Amino acid sequence: QQQVKQSPQSLIVQKGGISIINCAYENTAFDYFPWYQQFPGKGPALLIAIRPDVSEKKEGRFTISFNKSAKQFSLHIMDSQPGDSATYFCAARITGTASKLTFGTGTRLQVTL
Amino acid sequence: NAGVTQTPKFRILKIGQSMTLQCTQDMNHNYMYWYRQDPGMGLKLIYYSVGAGITDKGEVPNGYNVSRSTTEDFPLRLELAAPSQTSVYFCASTPAGEGTGELFFGEGSRLTVL
Repeated sequence: QQQVKQSPQSLIVQKGGISIINCAYENTAFDYFPWYQQFPGKGPALLIAIRPDVSEKKEGRFTISFNKSAKQFSLHIMDSQPGDSATYFCAARITGTASKLTFGTGTRLQVTL
Repeated sequence: NAGVTQTPKFRILKIGQSMTLQCTQDMNHNYMYWYRQDPGMGLKLIYYSVGAGITDKGEVPNGYNVSRSTTEDFPLRLELAAPSQTSVYFCASTPAGEGTGELFFGEGSRLTVL
C-alpha cells in the first residue's frame, strides 16, 4: 500500500511545550521520509527528512524519530513557539520513482501564548 | 530567483467550463508535479513529469490533463469542471535524480467550481 497515516489531525500546545506528530506506513519499500511545513496561503516547504538507516535526526528544535520495525516515524518540536503554528505533513518516497511523495493527511498545530 | 510560480491564485468556474492552471519554474528542474490539497486529505498527486515531452498519471488523474513542452512549464488542464474539482492545486518541482528529494512548491491556485 502507498498510504501514510498521520495523527493527530490537530494539536494545541502551549508556548515552550513539546509538539509531537506521528506517522505510520505499511509499504516497506519506502526509503525516504520528509516532513513538510505549510503556513496559510503558502505552499508546503521541506522542514526535515530522514532515511531509515538512522533512528533519529535533529535540526535545531525539530527532531525526527524513526522506528523501522514498527514502521512509524514522528516529528518532535521542542520549545514550541507561536511561529511554529502551521500545518505539518509527513511524507514517504520510494527511490527510483521520480521523487514522487505520498503525503499524510496533515496536522494543524497551534501554539498558544 | 522566483522558484515555482503558479497562476491564477484564485478562480471561480461554473460546472462544465474549462480552464488551465499555469505553472512555471526557473530552477531548471527536470521533475515537475501537480498535487491537489483538500481539507483533511493531505496532498494527492494528479500528474507528474520527468522531463519535456514525458508525463504520467498520479493517484487522482481523472478529469485533468497535462503537457510538458518545455523544461520550465507544466500546465494543468481541466476540461469539464465539476464541483469535485474544487480544491487548492499545488505545482512542485525538483532536480532529476533522488538526491535530497526536496520538492519546491508554488503558492497554490485555489479553484472553486459552482
